[in-house]
Amino acid sequence: AQSVTQPDIHITVSEGASLELRCNYSYGATPYLFWYVQSPGQGLQLLLKYFSGDTQVQGIKGFEAEFKRSQSSFNLRKPSVHWSDAAEYFCAVGSGGSYIPTFGRGTSLIVHP
Amino acid sequence: GAGVSQSPSNKVTEKGKDVELRCDPISGHTALYWYRQSLGQGLEFLIYFQGNSAPDKSGLPSDRFSAERTGGSVSTLTIQRTQQEDSAVYLCASSLYTGTDTQYFGPGTRLTVL
Repeated sequence: AQSVTQPDIHITVSEGASLELRCNYSYGATPYLFWYVQSPGQGLQLLLKYFSGDTQVQGIKGFEAEFKRSQSSFNLRKPSVHWSDAAEYFCAVGSGGSYIPTFGRGTSLIVHP
Repeated sequence: GAGVSQSPSNKVTEKGKDVELRCDPISGHTALYWYRQSLGQGLEFLIYFQGNSAPDKSGLPSDRFSAERTGGSVSTLTIQRTQQEDSAVYLCASSLYTGTDTQYFGPGTRLTVL
């Protein structure tokens, strides 16, 4: 069975600082990995995804992530955080063996001015 | 282009009443998912449709919960005899294919059971 762990429940950063949100997955084969963002009162929006190929993935809003098979990780990064990035971030893993992606519990990002 | 829509956006009901939540997926998407998000919690999977069939109902928390999908499009989640613990945001998502494909989420229905 596939699983996803987001070890940080809350992350607080200052505006302009760099950001890294952690995501670890468990799955035997090559996973399909996603990062979604949920702004207050909104549904989830896809930031980026990894299916195969280049392990560095670029997404929307200046976000990027790197798939590291050896560490079973897919951490989300942004070089400079904006106040509008304050939101809930969800990592998810899918696979050809399961119809249902598995979501992590989410990391809440707080941005200080 | 239309995204996933859900109605109503907010629903307040009294304990014991039945409620129906509606989801209109993106046209042509074969897979449809229902999730529940309680305050401060992650996404709890409820049920998944492939076309009009629901191969996996394992996430439905009790027999008070049911869902259907008609014409491979609109889906309705019904909660009978609502309880206060049913209060949550109910999210619907659709994807072109299953498991490996990007899910597109609706804005959710916030259900409050008094």
